[in-house]
Amino acid sequence: EPEVTQTPSHQVTQMGQEVILRCVPISNHLYFYWYRQILGQKVEFLVSFYNNEISEKSEIFDDQFSVERPDGSNFTLKIRSTKLEDSAMYFCASSPLAAITDTQYFGPGTRLTVL
Amino acid sequence: DAKTTQPPSMDCAEGRAANLPCNHSTISGNEYVYWYRQIHSQGPQYIIHGLKNNETNEMASLIITEDRKSSTLILPHATLRDTAVYYCIVSLGPYGNKLVFGAGTILRVKS
Repeated sequence: EPEVTQTPSHQVTQMGQEVILRCVPISNHLYFYWYRQILGQKVEFLVSFYNNEISEKSEIFDDQFSVERPDGSNFTLKIRSTKLEDSAMYFCASSPLAAITDTQYFGPGTRLTVL
Repeated sequence: DAKTTQPPSMDCAEGRAANLPCNHSTISGNEYVYWYRQIHSQGPQYIIHGLKNNETNEMASLIITEDRKSSTLILPHATLRDTAVYYCIVSLGPYGNKLVFGAGTILRVKS
């Protein structure tokens, strides 16, 4: 069964450093998402992306964040200057953009630790 | 904010049916009810969704009341591997609409 993959599984970085989290969505999917989950808290929506553009973004997704689909398979989340509060699990998801069954499928996540 | 209300936790005996309730009294006519679960710190896993009719798949059944103000997710024969946080989410569904997660219900399946 096709699945969303994410790399790395765990990223440790120093405050102020840039990080890039990578995702490979399911191959025929057209909509891509990033969510995050701070330890012990709810899963929070960050951004959705379609047709090489951001469709929607949350208040969390400020100027420090950016997303890109650099080629036909990868979808990346960049944090320019990490803060301690960016420490969280980051989940990528994709959906096929089908009218009835536009279900989002999530990857296993990247645990980001900012020191 | 999440538009749903779920009990914070439930226990279920292994092999028995687990019935997880969800209240979504402010649901609008074009919103779907989705259920996801999250096992430990893994990515949320899709279970099932519905609009008006009851739905069944290989994982679970979804019963939606006629007024659509509440629903119940049924795991017919719960196993220890079904221990997870279960999220009931109301969403516009198609065309890339975001999922708004609440706190969910922690289901503990016990032997």
